[in-house]
Amino acid sequence: DSGVTQTPKHLITATGQRVTLRCSPRSGDLSVYWYQQSLDQGLQFLIHYYNGEERAKGNILERFSAQQFPDLHSELNLSSLELGDSALYFCASSPQGSPRHEQFFGPGTRLTVL
Amino acid sequence: AQSVTQLDSQVPVFEEAPVELRCNYSSSVSVYLFWYVQYPNQGLQLLLKYLSGSTLVKGINGFEAEFNKSQTSFHLRKPSVHISDTAEYFCAVSPMNRDDKIIFGKGTRLHILP
Repeated sequence: DSGVTQTPKHLITATGQRVTLRCSPRSGDLSVYWYQQSLDQGLQFLIHYYNGEERAKGNILERFSAQQFPDLHSELNLSSLELGDSALYFCASSPQGSPRHEQFFGPGTRLTVL
Repeated sequence: AQSVTQLDSQVPVFEEAPVELRCNYSSSVSVYLFWYVQYPNQGLQLLLKYLSGSTLVKGINGFEAEFNKSQTSFHLRKPSVHISDTAEYFCAVSPMNRDDKIIFGKGTRLHILP
């Protein structure tokens, strides 16, 4: 158990819909990273928040957005969903703002878009 | 820009045999290097990392990796594998001049044969 929690574990929805994925980092960790893992694209870095502020963006679509709240939990919002958005979404937390520090991954949210 | 190539998508190996998982990277700047492991139905977990100093890095579960700057490689090795090593292994790099970015390879699935 990494100490990072993600909800929900599974999510099934339809094309065109909007969903919110939630991540609670380990106690004391200031950084939250979001990743998308799919069979064809592999593990893609989406976005990184540090202490409430966006620090870096990766391959995140404009239909996707995220935020980190004052209590340091984070939400990833996916809108206008397409079949290709079906994937496993991971968040990871880290005590510092740099990726050179170990990231602790949550168990993931499996999103299925029908 | 940086890229990571994991040359083998799958590696079958007999139990108690040695294994090497290959990772090559491309970068115009110096990088930090990582190996993460993903056990079935779990999130990723850090195996080891190279930040500076000795090019031979030892990690958890008996794994080690060697940084070779001239060949831009960071291959992962274990002298004797166990069934419990069945997992997917990801190589990743983070540029030293961009303290906010991390790029993962597509992963290598290690199959342990009895």
